[in-house]
Amino acid sequence: EAGVAQSPRYKIIEKRQSVAFWCNPISGHATLYWYQQILGQGPKLLIQFQNNGVVDDSQLPKDRFSAERLKGVDSTLKIQPAKLEDSAVYLCASSRVSGLRGHYEQYFGPGTRLTVT
Amino acid sequence: AQSVSQHNHHVILSEAASLELGCNYSYGGTVNLFWYVQYPGQHLQLLLKYFSGDPLVKGIKGFEAEFIKSKFSFNLRKPSVQWSDTAEYFCAVTVNNDMRFGAGTRLTVKP
Repeated sequence: EAGVAQSPRYKIIEKRQSVAFWCNPISGHATLYWYQQILGQGPKLLIQFQNNGVVDDSQLPKDRFSAERLKGVDSTLKIQPAKLEDSAVYLCASSRVSGLRGHYEQYFGPGTRLTVT
Repeated sequence: AQSVSQHNHHVILSEAASLELGCNYSYGGTVNLFWYVQYPGQHLQLLLKYFSGDPLVKGIKGFEAEFIKSKFSFNLRKPSVQWSDTAEYFCAVTVNNDMRFGAGTRLTVKP
């Protein structure tokens, strides 16, 4: 089974520029997640999609971050404009939800390391 | 505030030593518990998970974890570590399909 694909793997931009990340989940996985992992911290959920609908975006800084999953498969996460504090690894994960209590595990992609200078 | 706490930021062990990494959470109600591992240069991988049933769960590569509900804990253990276990370990808790991670524990195993 192919894993979660992400691109690019690395990106360096200047502050106030915009950037976009792409994710292709495991085939058949209905749920897709974007996480931000700042150095020395655990991943923090930014947004969760179920098919092409947003389930949770409570921790997404909506003034500068946006994400979409138009066809319920791959997804893009955009930052515009970027700030220095956005430097982090952006992880995409997917899962197949089963059961009433969400008995699932998430499969993670390799991440995109963003450096904002 | 609701959180997931990993007690140790960095653990250094010699090969064959026993390992225990602590994880405590502060969420009430029904939770699902996970340990993920991130080897150097690789992506996060699932080590083991607990949903229900036997509170002692076994994962890959000889790891196990015990869910103690009364202590809100889900500590990770391995009787004898190897150099190849050098990695970052993350405890995670899901509540209502929302996964929260601890800050991670970096394990260094000296050969």
